[in-house]
Amino acid sequence: VQLVESGGGLAQPGGSLRLSCAATGFSFNFYPMTWVRQAPGKGPEYVSGIGTDGSTSYGGSVKGRFTISRDTSTNTLYLQMNSLRVEDTATYYCAKILAPGSPYFDYWGQGAQVTVSS
Amino acid sequence: EIVLTQSPGTLSLSSGERATLSCRASQSVSNNYLAWYQQRPGQSPRLLIYGASTRATGIPDRFSGSGSGTDFTLTVSRLEPEDSAVYFCQQYGGSPLYTFGQGTNVEIK
Repeated sequence: VQLVESGGGLAQPGGSLRLSCAATGFSFNFYPMTWVRQAPGKGPEYVSGIGTDGSTSYGGSVKGRFTISRDTSTNTLYLQMNSLRVEDTATYYCAKILAPGSPYFDYWGQGAQVTVSS
Repeated sequence: EIVLTQSPGTLSLSSGERATLSCRASQSVSNNYLAWYQQRPGQSPRLLIYGASTRATGIPDRFSGSGSGTDFTLTVSRLEPEDSAVYFCQQYGGSPLYTFGQGTNVEIK
């Protein structure tokens, strides 16, 4: 299993970024996938998840601003981040769910740094 | 939101000693949907324990988890130098679906 994030960088408050996560080594179609972020010195924070049926969920602080999606033809997970705020600054991890019905993160990418600053 | 509070904040022990980490939930964790992760400096988190007490694939048996309801424990029976890391607990249920504790830093003297 390998998860490789890309698309991080510097954005201004109110700006947008799109993160991608290329997944290999497992049957991408069969597993829920998530985005989890971590600010320096803090515990991880759930950002968003997408089920095998395309159903989505979001953490409270990003609802209405971020959109998760997946492309099963390319085994890629996305996170579209709009209306970015300074407090969105963090390392964003793509994480695979252990199995449907087992809500734990068993594989994580190396992380993509997102910095929101003017 | 289910808040997870971990204690102690920092644990400083010697190799070979036993480490006991606590995770307390503000409400009962349904179906014992509780996991523990290890995060070494500069690395991504690694799943150690899920379902409160099941070791993840490849995790040594000196790591064990216990507890139910609102009180959970991670025990490392014989610390090794590579166990120096921050340990997080995580639960599933409610809104948001997943929450994490703030972490316990384990230092090996």
